[in-house]
Amino acid sequence: EADIYQTPRYLVIGTGKKITLECSQTMGHDKMYWYQQDPGMELHLIHYSYGVNSTEKGDLSSESTVSRIRTEHFPLTLESARPSHTSQYLCATSPGDEQFFGPGTRLTVL
Amino acid sequence: GQQVMQIPQYQHVQEGEDFTTYCNSSTTLSNIQWYKQRPGGHPVFLIQLVKSGEVKKQKRLTFQFGEAKKNSSLHITATQTTDVGTYFCAGKTSYDKVIFGPGTSLSVIP
Repeated sequence: EADIYQTPRYLVIGTGKKITLECSQTMGHDKMYWYQQDPGMELHLIHYSYGVNSTEKGDLSSESTVSRIRTEHFPLTLESARPSHTSQYLCATSPGDEQFFGPGTRLTVL
Repeated sequence: GQQVMQIPQYQHVQEGEDFTTYCNSSTTLSNIQWYKQRPGGHPVFLIQLVKSGEVKKQKRLTFQFGEAKKNSSLHITATQTTDVGTYFCAGKTSYDKVIFGPGTSLSVIP
């Protein structure tokens, strides 16, 4: 299984704050993804990247942005957090089609 | 748009009973993957099917890919409490995108 790291694992923050969720991988995979998932619910793709300097928006409309300056890192930024952003954010990496997920960041916006 | 559906949404079984979840796509898929997510955890890749009519087994789990490459199934024989979780299928479309199904949540009553 790929080594994928997400920090922080848990975050409680007030409305209006800017936050960055970190995702890093050590496998050298070109493809990386960000998903939003409420407990027990389906995965919603919010951003993906197929390589350095390549980023695309997913199917779920999101107020977040991403960057892919290095293969290893794919950070997700929320410029102004809102209570509706409360959810779990999962990062995944892929060498082809199968995806390997990180442990996730549980975000609570008060 | 292209969709991947799963049925049932929820399934409660007595320990020892069999369980099957079905995955259906509106279009032909290049391949299909299956994932398992334990409660509180992240999705974990189980298997990928590529060929029409392909059948693969992992211990008590049997995975099938339909002849038309539009549907797939996961069958668990003699469920155990360790099988509890949500099972997701994900299909690769002709547009080279991987689309996740909404998942089937399995509960096992001891």
